[in-house]
Amino acid sequence: QQQVKQSPQSLIVQKGGISIINCAYENTAFDYFPWYQQFPGKGPALLIAIRPDVSEKKEGRFTISFNKSAKQFSLHIMDSQPGDSATYFCAAVNTGTASKLTFGTGTRLQVTL
Amino acid sequence: DTAVSQTPKYLVTQMGNDKSIKCEQNLGHDTMYWYKQDSKKFLKIMFSYNNKELIINETVPNRFSPKSPDKAHLNLHINSLELGDSAVYFCASSLGTVETQYFGPGTRLLVL
Repeated sequence: QQQVKQSPQSLIVQKGGISIINCAYENTAFDYFPWYQQFPGKGPALLIAIRPDVSEKKEGRFTISFNKSAKQFSLHIMDSQPGDSATYFCAAVNTGTASKLTFGTGTRLQVTL
Repeated sequence: DTAVSQTPKYLVTQMGNDKSIKCEQNLGHDTMYWYKQDSKKFLKIMFSYNNKELIINETVPNRFSPKSPDKAHLNLHINSLELGDSAVYFCASSLGTVETQYFGPGTRLLVL
């Protein structure tokens, strides 16, 4: 059972465009939602994260939008660059329990020139 | 300056063999993890240790046995390797909470 659903599976965006990746979750006990970025041959690295008490968080060109009632959150990459080409994973965790990150299935982003 | 390191980086072996992957972190973290990433890039946690104590043990065949000799090390031993064990195995660590995890570079295991 996939507790965090992620879409699309792959995405091609032109340089300068906006990349949007969506995630939806089932467990209302989740209270922390990070995004990880993984370049080929490397381990995932934390990119940006949000808690459900805010609806949006922005760090540079990366923005998370969070809709608690819909149990959905999304990553927006503004002015996408070829260097952003990577696989992006959303994740969710209930920090109050013996916690583990539950990852989405990943989105492979390719930014073309 | 490597934060989380894994050895070996690549591991090619025959079915039925036993192999180990080592992980070390120099971040002073107290929690370490093993993840498996399959060919479709899906990341799934296998084990988690906090201060050398096992706290998460997902549904993993008992051929997989983690060992934490100290807080800075978490090794993964795999017995009787099978074709389906072929994957990339990532070690990760965090301090205090699960929220921010630092991943190692991965060990690419290929079972022939």
